[in-house]
Amino acid sequence: QKEVEQDPGPLSVPEGAIVSLNCTYSNSAFQYFMWYRQYSRKGPELLMYTYSSGNKEDGRFTAQVDKSSKYISLFIRDSQPSDSATYLCAFDRGSTLGRLYFGRGTQLTVWP
Amino acid sequence: DVKVTQSSRYLVKRTGEKVFLECVQDMDHENMFWYRQDPGLGLRLIYFSYDVKMKEKGDIPEGYSVSREKKERFSLILESASTNQTSMYLCASTISGSGNEQFFGPGTRLTVL
Repeated sequence: QKEVEQDPGPLSVPEGAIVSLNCTYSNSAFQYFMWYRQYSRKGPELLMYTYSSGNKEDGRFTAQVDKSSKYISLFIRDSQPSDSATYLCAFDRGSTLGRLYFGRGTQLTVWP
Repeated sequence: DVKVTQSSRYLVKRTGEKVFLECVQDMDHENMFWYRQDPGLGLRLIYFSYDVKMKEKGDIPEGYSVSREKKERFSLILESASTNQTSMYLCASTISGSGNEQFFGPGTRLTVL
């Protein structure tokens, strides 16, 4: 079983839709949960970060972590064409080496 | 503003050539990483380094080596390039410790003919 599973999509939604992106993981040692956003021909950038179960909101974005189910989600409200990108979930075991474990990424297109 | 730079955006090499990919960060980060990114496979870790001259294998180190002679610079070396090493290569860096953001460079698109 892979440590991180993420549906690669692609996902195509109309502007204004609510988008749900999900990852499952198997490693109980994961302590930090992140979402990175990668625009075409760019490197990934950190979008959301949390270290506990529950919800964290930042503007139109909500990150949700359920440690008991080993499941994390990213919700995008009122999606915009500028949200079109690849979204990668990432996990940190809490080591000082800073290594992250990434999902395969979900490609999202928001059309006007 | 934090900055990770990579020596080339696009590179075309021939099979069997020795290839050097350079990465420089200006944030005084201890940890640096090399990934390759392929459609459907996502980001895969090749090698990482947690200090000068220190390195650790990632998930797919075969066919690659690395060098870190200075804290700010991390080089990826393809000893004898092969067509299956055609990929997007991404460098990243982070400070020592857990739960920290990795900062990525813009990537190098390498094509091996």
